Amino acid sequence: KAGVTQTPRYLIKTRGQQVTLSCSPISGHRSVSWYQQTPGQGLQFLFEYFSETQRNKGNFPGRFSGRQFSNSRSEMNVSTLELGDSALYLCASSSGLAGDIETQYFGPGTRLLVL
Amino acid sequence: QKEVEQNSGPLSVPEGAIASLNCTYSDRVSQSFFWYRQYSGKSPELIMSIYSNGDKEDGRFTAQLNKASQYVSLLIRDSQPSDSATYLCAVHSNDYKLSFGAGTTVTVRA
Repeated sequence: KAGVTQTPRYLIKTRGQQVTLSCSPISGHRSVSWYQQTPGQGLQFLFEYFSETQRNKGNFPGRFSGRQFSNSRSEMNVSTLELGDSALYLCASSSGLAGDIETQYFGPGTRLLVL
Repeated sequence: QKEVEQNSGPLSVPEGAIASLNCTYSDRVSQSFFWYRQYSGKSPELIMSIYSNGDKEDGRFTAQLNKASQYVSLLIRDSQPSDSATYLCAVHSNDYKLSFGAGTTVTVRA
């Protein structure tokens, strides 16, 4: 069974631009979560989607948004990029069968550098 | 107070020794607990999950959970150089997210 895939793997943007990251969960998984990882803040929860519905959102500004499609693939968007948005963005999937996130499996991440 | 706290590292152990990692959490209703391993430049990889009080063993890894003390630990027996990584404790509390500790970096000396 293929794992979680994320595209692109690396991205360089300049301040003020926007970016869209994509995540395809493990086949059959319906829950997708997004995390931001930086050396200073560690792994911070962004949001979680299940069946195209956002069930929880972390403490990030409205510039960070996401969505999930009917095939469970998910995208996250960051608008008006700031230098501090430079981070590793991780997507994780879980089956969601028990109604909650259960065990999460991470993708390889997208490393974003904002110049 | 941080939701999940891990013992500060880095932790250096000789090859063949036991590495002991500790984690405390603040939310008493937390139900699921996970240990992830993250190599430098890579994404977190699940090592263990534990849901009930007591010990759970998987190969050289043993997770211990004490909900009354809000404490979860990970023991790595017969540590190998390949165990050198950052270990992340994660806690789930019925809110559709995992809360992570800052991680403990382990170095196994050959």
